[in-house]
Amino acid sequence: EDKVVQSPLSLVVHEGDTVTLNCSYEVTNFRSLLWYKQEKKAPTFLFMLTSSGIEKKSGRLSSILDKKELFSILNITATQTGDSAIYLCAVEGTGGFKTIFGAGTRLFVKA
Amino acid sequence: NAGVTQTPKFRILKIGQSMTLQCTQDMNHNYMYWYRQDPGMGLKLIYYSVGAGITDKGEVPNGYNVSRSTTEDFPLRLELAAPSQTSVYFCASTLGQTYTDTQYFGPGTRLTVL
Repeated sequence: EDKVVQSPLSLVVHEGDTVTLNCSYEVTNFRSLLWYKQEKKAPTFLFMLTSSGIEKKSGRLSSILDKKELFSILNITATQTGDSAIYLCAVEGTGGFKTIFGAGTRLFVKA
Repeated sequence: NAGVTQTPKFRILKIGQSMTLQCTQDMNHNYMYWYRQDPGMGLKLIYYSVGAGITDKGEVPNGYNVSRSTTEDFPLRLELAAPSQTSVYFCASTLGQTYTDTQYFGPGTRLTVL
């Protein structure tokens, strides 16, 4: 059965800390892995990863994929209170329409 | 551009009632999706559409129906609502397939079935 597992489920850090969020997956015919940030409402897109070893960066956020070990990490450096959110990992498999989401990591950044 | 809009934002239904969740996008996207998100869980795909007149089931289609008569609109119909359908529903769209294009989400509809 296809699955996406995120860890930790929740995390509390102080402003300025660096955090690493994990996403492991087992999906038939992998196509891509996506990271989303979900605050109060709809998820917003962060990254899409399709190739191993190529880091994607956006400001203080970065992500990398390991297709051999079937996992991805999302790093956030110098965290701010505005980074508090649920971070969702999703993997697309067969047909391009089968997207499996993980349960998310709930990050809380204390001032 | 308004992006992806959903109505209503909140709704409470009684068991057995029916309703339609509306979703509209103004980006001329071909692909549209309906997801549900249960508390503490990720998103699960209910139905998707690759263009007007074409729809297909996702992971959890039971209890739902969709139609896609225009590129812009992708309503989700609940017939005979059940407590298990209490969830937050998100509509999303992409220009092409999600593994090549960014997925844009609507703000969600919070549905409670009592």
